[in-house]
Parts: sequence; structure tokens; C-alpha cells
Amino acid sequence: DADVTQTPRNRITKTGKRIMLECSQTKGHDRMYWYRQDPGLGLRLIYYSFDVKDINKGEISDGYSVSRQAQAKFSLSLESAIPNQTALYFCATSDLGGASEWGEQFFGPGTRLTVL
Amino acid sequence: AQSVTQLDSQVPVFEEAPVELRCNYSSSVSVYLFWYVQYPNQGLQLLLKYLSGSTLVKGINGFEAEFNKSQTSFHLRKPSVHISDTAEYFCAVNGAGSQGNLIFGKGTKLSVKP
Repeated sequence: DADVTQTPRNRITKTGKRIMLECSQTKGHDRMYWYRQDPGLGLRLIYYSFDVKDINKGEISDGYSVSRQAQAKFSLSLESAIPNQTALYFCATSDLGGASEWGEQFFGPGTRLTVL
Repeated sequence: AQSVTQLDSQVPVFEEAPVELRCNYSSSVSVYLFWYVQYPNQGLQLLLKYLSGSTLVKGINGFEAEFNKSQTSFHLRKPSVHISDTAEYFCAVNGAGSQGNLIFGKGTKLSVKP
């Protein structure tokens, strides 16, 4: 089984709808991240969480919110989706201490979101 | 603040030819450097990393990269590519004090042709 899973893998929605993307991990890592990927722009950090009670905004948090329900679960919400939020979204995890001190992250397979 | 520049957005190459994907970074503090690969319709996976020590780092699938502090570069190389190396490659940096957060370059699409 995959260590980092994302649901759904694909989603088409309409402008103004609320949508939630979910991420679960079995790696036992404390840190979790949400990125979006756009062609030619690479990955940009939306939110990150160092533990259940520690949530931080990333580079492009406007229009998004997150919830860290448990160590293993980190969800991303779009309260009112707009077309320029059409992108590929990735969840990632890293270990507190150890590898995370060096920045190594482990990625899920991605969710392709289309907002019409 | 740290930044990463991948100098080529696309690199076409023929099978069995050598390839170099270029990455330059900007940072006022010591850095850790990474290359990730994204195969079509997949997430990112770590190819190799430089933390300290030898400036020549070897990764998976025959790739290697060399850390050059004076030129602030971390170029990725492979002496002979395969069709299966077709993917997008991302350089990333994590500087001291960045809380473990990675800054990614915009990616280089490697296209290997037969």
C-alpha cells in the first residue's frame, strides 16, 4: 500500500462550490504539506503543519484552508472554488527531526482538480 | 531568502546520449539540495540529495549531481539516458533556518527520443 494517499485523484467541480481534498499517510511523520503544481511554475507551498496543533500558511494560502484532523490526516479545502484554482495538488510528509532537518519530503500521487 | 533557478524548461535528447539538467540556487546560508523526479501521472520521488561531504552525489537510476558552492550550482547529469528517463525533474533547496521547507525550481522536462 502507498505510504501517502490522496483522495480523490481527479475532481471536476463548478465555480463557487466548496471542495475538500484529503491526504492520509502511514509513514508516521509529524510534518505534512500541501502544494499546487501548475505548468511552468513548479510546486508552490499552500499550507504546512508541523503537528496537529501547528498550522502555517505557505506561499499561496489565499482561497484555501486546511485541517489537521490527526497526525495521519491533513485535508485541504477550497471554500469557493474559482477557475484559476485548476491545478494538480500534492500532499507531502516529512519526519520531525532526522530527515526533515534536511528537507526530504515524501509525496502522494496528486489530485487533479478542474474548476469550470 | 532562498531561490532556485532551473535554466532549461525543456531538454530534448536522443536515447543513449548524455544529459545535463542545470540548477542554480541563491541563498545567504548553508543549504541542502535535492533533485526530485516526476514521471507522467505520478507524484514526485527523490532522485538524490546533497547534505554535506563529497560534492559529487550519486542517486537512483544512474543519475548524479555535483554541488559547486562557488558557482551556487547543483547540476544533474546522466552519461547515457533511456526512454524511461522521460519525466519532469525538479531541483529544490532547503536552507538553514527554513524549518525544513523546500523551495522548488520550476522544473525541467526531459524528453528522450529513440
